[in-house]
Amino acid sequence: DAKTTQPPSMDCAEGRAANLPCNHSTISGNEYVYWYRQIHSQGPQYIIHGLKNNETNEMASLIITEDRKSSTLILPHATLRDTAVYYCIVNSGNTPLVFGKGTRLSVIA
Amino acid sequence: KAGVTQTPRYLIKTRGQQVTLSCSPISGHRSVSWYQQTPGQGLQFLFEYFSETQRNKGNFPGRFSGRQFSNSRSEMNVSTLELGDSALYLCASSLQPGIRGETQYFGPGTRLLVL
Repeated sequence: DAKTTQPPSMDCAEGRAANLPCNHSTISGNEYVYWYRQIHSQGPQYIIHGLKNNETNEMASLIITEDRKSSTLILPHATLRDTAVYYCIVNSGNTPLVFGKGTRLSVIA
Repeated sequence: KAGVTQTPRYLIKTRGQQVTLSCSPISGHRSVSWYQQTPGQGLQFLFEYFSETQRNKGNFPGRFSGRQFSNSRSEMNVSTLELGDSALYLCASSLQPGIRGETQYFGPGTRLLVL
């Protein structure tokens, strides 16, 4: 079973920031938080990952709470092409990725 | 650098046949994992290969098998196909297992339809 909990769906207006939450209250000390997204019928696309510090790359920002029990993926200026299912996964790098149902993000014009 | 490639992209087979899918990892990546995605079960782990050895295996019947070659390319085979094997089969590659914070990169997948 997935070790994360995500809302099943979210809407976001185009051009606004999309904030996708994830709960991972049982995360262990050696596990990272990974985010992937899957646009319809394509392979999952890696977005970002982090251990305990906030991370930013050209696609998104990842904010991890100090107790590491939850995190938020931020897409700063959502576009229609960001419509996808977003998966939050905790993984140590030594085990297979366990995907939950993810959050279906709909970006609305 | 080229990404993970999978061939074929689409495949139609009939029940009872067997099928072989191929995956070429990102250059320099030596670990390859396979996943099955269906509408009912979501994304599920099939197996992982590293240095031509199966390192991990998911909860799938023995009809599902795989192998890895010395150049890190991998194939998976499904024998005696069933209707329920219709799915998107995804391959992911990484440098090697056991590295903390290592990232897996996915290919576009092979969509298999069993009639």
